[in-house]
Amino acid sequence: QVTLRESGPALVKPTQTLTLTCTVSGFSLSTRGMCVSWIRQPPGKALEWLALIDWDGDGYYSTSLKTRLTISKDPSKNRVVLTMANMDPVDTATYYCARTDSSTWYFDYWGQGTLVTVSS
Amino acid sequence: QSALTQPASVSGSPGLSITISCTGTSSDVGTYNYVSWYQQHPGKAPKLVIFDVSNRPSGVSNRFSGSKSGNTASLAISGLQTEDEADYYCSSYIGGITVFGGGTKLTVL
Repeated sequence: QVTLRESGPALVKPTQTLTLTCTVSGFSLSTRGMCVSWIRQPPGKALEWLALIDWDGDGYYSTSLKTRLTISKDPSKNRVVLTMANMDPVDTATYYCARTDSSTWYFDYWGQGTLVTVSS
Repeated sequence: QSALTQPASVSGSPGLSITISCTGTSSDVGTYNYVSWYQQHPGKAPKLVIFDVSNRPSGVSNRFSGSKSGNTASLAISGLQTEDEADYYCSSYIGGITVFGGGTKLTVL
């Protein structure tokens, strides 16, 4: 059974760096073809893809946010970590991690999401 | 990369059919057969209902179908049921990045 679970702070201050963790089970982050993405959704707004890490550890980033994002993983702990620098109130959103197909990048399993609010 | 264009809302009566469009450009939807669709109920995570334009994941009702013509992909839902009322998002892989549509709210009247 594939599951993903996001964890991290519910509240961060402007200019701080956000660190989110996605803990997965039911598949291995080291297995060829296994990728994990981060996707966010501001309240009442659309989904926005942020980043993907593949089985080799290569990261891919949203064009508009790549200077602020870093994605990494620790396969031994079944964890994928996303950091986003210089947080702003417009970054307030629910952040999801999702298992991602390696060929065509569809998201077949999603975590429940974690709401992050940016406020002083 | 710009978001894909979806109608803000569509509606239909139980038992009938609806179609949701997802319009991109020749650089994304028009080039790649890598469009996927997601259903999202309020307060829930999205759920994959169509991948690679027209493929249904195991467990998704065959009332859901997908297609593509030129720069526009479409999601069709037949035999509308009240539980189909949700937000629907399209997504397209564009070679190293992914973009989503703005989402469509489906109301089952």
